[in-house]
Amino acid sequence: EVQLVQSGAEVKKPGETLKISCKGSGYSFSTYWIGWVRQMPGKGPEWMGIIFPYDSDTRYSPSFQGQVTISADKSISTAYLQWSSLKASDTAMYYCARRGVEDVLTAYDYWGQGTPVTVSP
Amino acid sequence: DIVMTQSPDSLAVSLGEGATINCKSSQSVLYTSNKKNYIAWYQQKAGQPPKLLIYWASTRESGVPDRFSGSGSGTDFTLTISSLQAADVAVYYCQQYYSVPHTFGQGTKLEIK
Repeated sequence: EVQLVQSGAEVKKPGETLKISCKGSGYSFSTYWIGWVRQMPGKGPEWMGIIFPYDSDTRYSPSFQGQVTISADKSISTAYLQWSSLKASDTAMYYCARRGVEDVLTAYDYWGQGTPVTVSP
Repeated sequence: DIVMTQSPDSLAVSLGEGATINCKSSQSVLYTSNKKNYIAWYQQKAGQPPKLLIYWASTRESGVPDRFSGSGSGTDFTLTISSLQAADVAVYYCQQYYSVPHTFGQGTKLEIK
């Protein structure tokens, strides 16, 4: 069974660092792209970026480039999303999701349960 | 970036009736070499992650009831629910995965009338 299990809720202060994780199981983790999606309270999903764990090829949305870092450790089937200096506006739910493959790359077929991040003074 | 615009923003439909949600992309998401439209539809219920319903604009994900169907090509797409069930109350999003960033529509909230 394919599963993406994300790390738990975080409460941080502005200016702090944070790294959240997404562990895949039940499939060949290194050969599927993993994307990260932000969902602010009461809003729609926003695509942040994506990584191919096999070679760490990473693409970012221009809206998030320079604001976050996406990485992966294929040896432990885990992808990461990190911030070097959090802002109150980073308060949101963050999801990881696997991009499917069917001869060619498809949509995001499996999603993590989400990691809520709260940034408050 | 490709901008995805959904209509309507909200919709109230009686149980057993049909519901239609539209999605328009700011540029074509039809990849001519494989004739596939790189559009997906997701359902998100309160407190849950999005769930993939439809990909390639019209292919139902495994396990999705056949009352859900997708259509369209190029820049205009539609999600249709043929006979609304109480379990279908949710917010529905379209997404293009043709080019990075893989943008989402703003969502359509579906309620029971």
